[in-house]
Amino acid sequence: KAGVTQTPRYLIKTRGQQVTLSCSPISGHRSVSWYQQTPGQGLQFLFEYFSETQRNKGNFPGRFSGRQFSNSRSEMNVSTLELGDSALYLCASSLQAATNEKLFFGSGTQLSVL
Amino acid sequence: GDSVTQMEGPVTLSEEAFLTINCTYTATGYPSLFWYVQYPGEGLQLLLKATKADDKGSNKGFEATYRKETTSFHLEKGSVQVSDSAVYFCALRVSRDDKIIFGKGTRLHILP
Repeated sequence: KAGVTQTPRYLIKTRGQQVTLSCSPISGHRSVSWYQQTPGQGLQFLFEYFSETQRNKGNFPGRFSGRQFSNSRSEMNVSTLELGDSALYLCASSLQAATNEKLFFGSGTQLSVL
Repeated sequence: GDSVTQMEGPVTLSEEAFLTINCTYTATGYPSLFWYVQYPGEGLQLLLKATKADDKGSNKGFEATYRKETTSFHLEKGSVQVSDSAVYFCALRVSRDDKIIFGKGTRLHILP
């Protein structure tokens, strides 16, 4: 059974550009959550999608958005990139909504903003 | 707001040493508590969890007990191995909004 797949693995952008990251959850999983990981702040919750609907949202500006498709694949978009957006972006999936079930994480997309 | 505080790393130990990584939390209500581990170049994996007070989660020789009176969920292992070198994250989930909140992580180095 394939794990959570995130693409691309690495990404380099410049300030002001926008970027789209992709996440394919484990087959059958309907919930996808996104996290930003930085050395200083650790993991910070961005949002969770369940059955194509945003179920939860963290405290990030509106430049960060996401969506989920009918096959549960999810994309995250960051517009007008800032230097501080450089981070590892992790996606996690679970069968149902992210409750006490364990989250299955992908290896992440390392975004560098120059 | 809800939060998780972990001891700062890195923590460096010799093989077969006893490990404790401290974790305390602040939350309204009765959260579920988790430890996740991130090996180099990989995503996080659930290590263990506890869903109510006095529960003990255990896996791969690691243990953590949910202590409501001290709002703590310290991770312990009696004899660490080089392969335990990783970053360890303590996390909580409050049923009020189902968000899972992670601590900043503690990097563990085990020397042979």
